[in-house]
Amino acid sequence: DVKVTQSSRYLVKRTGEKVFLECVQDMDHENMFWYRQDPGLGLRLIYFSYDVKMKEKGDIPEGYSVSREKKERFSLILESASTNQTSMYLCASRPDRVSYNEQFFGPGTRLTVL
Amino acid sequence: RKEVEQDPGPFNVPEGATVAFNCTYSNSASQSFFWYRQDCRKEPKLLMSVYSSGNEDGRFTAQLNRASQYISLLIRDSKLSDSATYLCVVNRESNFGNEKLTFGTGTRLTIIP
Repeated sequence: DVKVTQSSRYLVKRTGEKVFLECVQDMDHENMFWYRQDPGLGLRLIYFSYDVKMKEKGDIPEGYSVSREKKERFSLILESASTNQTSMYLCASRPDRVSYNEQFFGPGTRLTVL
Repeated sequence: RKEVEQDPGPFNVPEGATVAFNCTYSNSASQSFFWYRQDCRKEPKLLMSVYSSGNEDGRFTAQLNRASQYISLLIRDSKLSDSATYLCVVNRESNFGNEKLTFGTGTRLTIIP
């Protein structure tokens, strides 16, 4: 079974803090994704990575950066957290760049920024 | 116009009934289509891919209409365990040729005993 894990289920941070969200997959997948999910807006793509050290902006990259130093790990960084970044963050992985392959999601991190 | 549009529901359906959802998409170049299921407070999981000729998996049938740019999901003999949010998902290509997915906001289904 593919397993995607995220470092925290719940996280509370203060405005202006630097926040790191970690995601690890154990199936040697090339592609990894970070989404946020908000009521009424659905899942929106923040960033994705199609290989180690390779990344591409998604639809809402502002205020975020990412890091992929190893194939199994993809980190999302909030440089200076703001209250409008309070959300559910979901990491996903996929075997390769072809979309007909299933994306496997982690359990999510619910981030609250006070 | 949103790239992927779904009726948010909620659909409250008695157990054993048949229920159908539609979803429309705006990008005529899209080639891959999916239904994902998301249980309350859980992550999305692939329910089924949608093929041009239509496809069936047990009680679930998915169909694609390219001319009208919509996909549908039919659930027959609904079970209590079918209660979930169903996400319509369509692919698109990025500037560098990597394929990404666009998710609809989901249709919430509750099966009533």
